[in-house]
Amino acid sequence: GAVVSQHPSRVICKSGTSVKIECRSLDFQATTMFWYRQFPKQSLMLMATSNEGSKATYEQGVEKDKFLINHASLTLSTLTVTSAHPEDSSFYICSASRGGALGNEQYFGPGTRLTVT
Amino acid sequence: EDQVTQSPEALRLQEGESSSLNCSYTVSGLRGLFWYRQDPGKGPEFLFTLYSAGEEKEKERLKATLTKKESFLHITAPKPEDSATYLCAVDMNSGYSTLTFGKGTMLLVSP
Repeated sequence: GAVVSQHPSRVICKSGTSVKIECRSLDFQATTMFWYRQFPKQSLMLMATSNEGSKATYEQGVEKDKFLINHASLTLSTLTVTSAHPEDSSFYICSASRGGALGNEQYFGPGTRLTVT
Repeated sequence: EDQVTQSPEALRLQEGESSSLNCSYTVSGLRGLFWYRQDPGKGPEFLFTLYSAGEEKEKERLKATLTKKESFLHITAPKPEDSATYLCAVDMNSGYSTLTFGKGTMLLVSP
């Protein structure tokens, strides 16, 4: 149990375009979903936390107008990178938590490699 | 400032050579310490959660322990397939449950 999927796994886009990444919890309902980015040989940096039906909470330094997060249901969250630039190229990973009495473990998706040319 | 530090940064072992990875933390209030395994180009895979000092958990060749200041991930008789980056993370916020990650230990087990 506790499987999280992401789509797409890889995406290449041109500078100035927008890219949407989907994150789904396949076998459980996620009260909270998280979005991270990871640069080569570095650890995960939390970008934002989202709960179903409410606005995402962004970490300091993350532009909310650039990284749009929608948490449409208890099993789906999307991250849209708007007007992407080469410096947005990174490995984006989502995670989901069941929360409450079921624990605060986060289960991660396989990640999305974004390359902006 | 709250901080999570993992050591060593990299570790090379021979197959069967047991060792330990360290995760030290300085947080104002620990709600949980987590160990993950990450293979190159993939998302982290959940291994263990520890909540209180003295707690231990085991899974196959791995055992995680927790004290008030640090956690150890003991690897007994490792195999080449145990090669990966091992990440430690702490949940320390009073509001939403969020994780702060260490930089990880890259483990390479040679046959």
